[in-house]
Amino acid sequence: DGGITQSPKYLFRKEGQNVTLSCEQNLNHDAMYWYRQDPGQGLRLIYYSQIVNDFQKGDIAEGYSVSREKKESFPLTVTSAQKNPTAFYLCASRLGRYNEQFFGPGTRLTVL
Amino acid sequence: AQSVTQLDSQVPVFEEAPVELRCNYSSSVSVYLFWYVQYPNQGLQLLLKYLSGSTLVKGINGFEAEFNKSQTSFHLRKPSVHISDTAEYFCAVSDENRDDKIIFGKGTRLHILP
Repeated sequence: DGGITQSPKYLFRKEGQNVTLSCEQNLNHDAMYWYRQDPGQGLRLIYYSQIVNDFQKGDIAEGYSVSREKKESFPLTVTSAQKNPTAFYLCASRLGRYNEQFFGPGTRLTVL
Repeated sequence: AQSVTQLDSQVPVFEEAPVELRCNYSSSVSVYLFWYVQYPNQGLQLLLKYLSGSTLVKGINGFEAEFNKSQTSFHLRKPSVHISDTAEYFCAVSDENRDDKIIFGKGTRLHILP
């Protein structure tokens, strides 16, 4: 089955540690996205990538970093510079601007 | 700037009653509109989309939405809700002049009352 996988589903980290969230898709989509979701805030765009080896900052990129070395993979690193990293993180991909986004199941990150 | 407004953060409705979730957008060019549903602790799933053509769009789970260009609205409706419709619903928009970004509303939580 084609789709998007995110791992792990739940992640706990100590304050001050960097952590990397995985996102893999086998839909052959060019564009991939990372969103952060907090209660009552909707989805806020962190980073997106339209093609391999290229990515752009979204609305809340500070404290996060990404890479896009392969079409299938778009990992997100939450660095120690992110002031309030506890949140639900969603990865998505899209075939093109005339198509909808497909979402992964999400990773819930809790920083202790 | 492009934006999406979901006017109600929460909507309570009795089971088997009709429901309308409101969405308004702002954009100066042609838009593509989407409604997504999110069940607790899951990702988002597409309910329906409007790209062009008929302004009444039918989606999954008995939902439909109507694109109204003059009102810049894309309200979601269902004639009779079920307890399984309890979820959060997101309206989203992209336009032909932007890159691949989609702008999301803040969501409407639908509570089904027995």
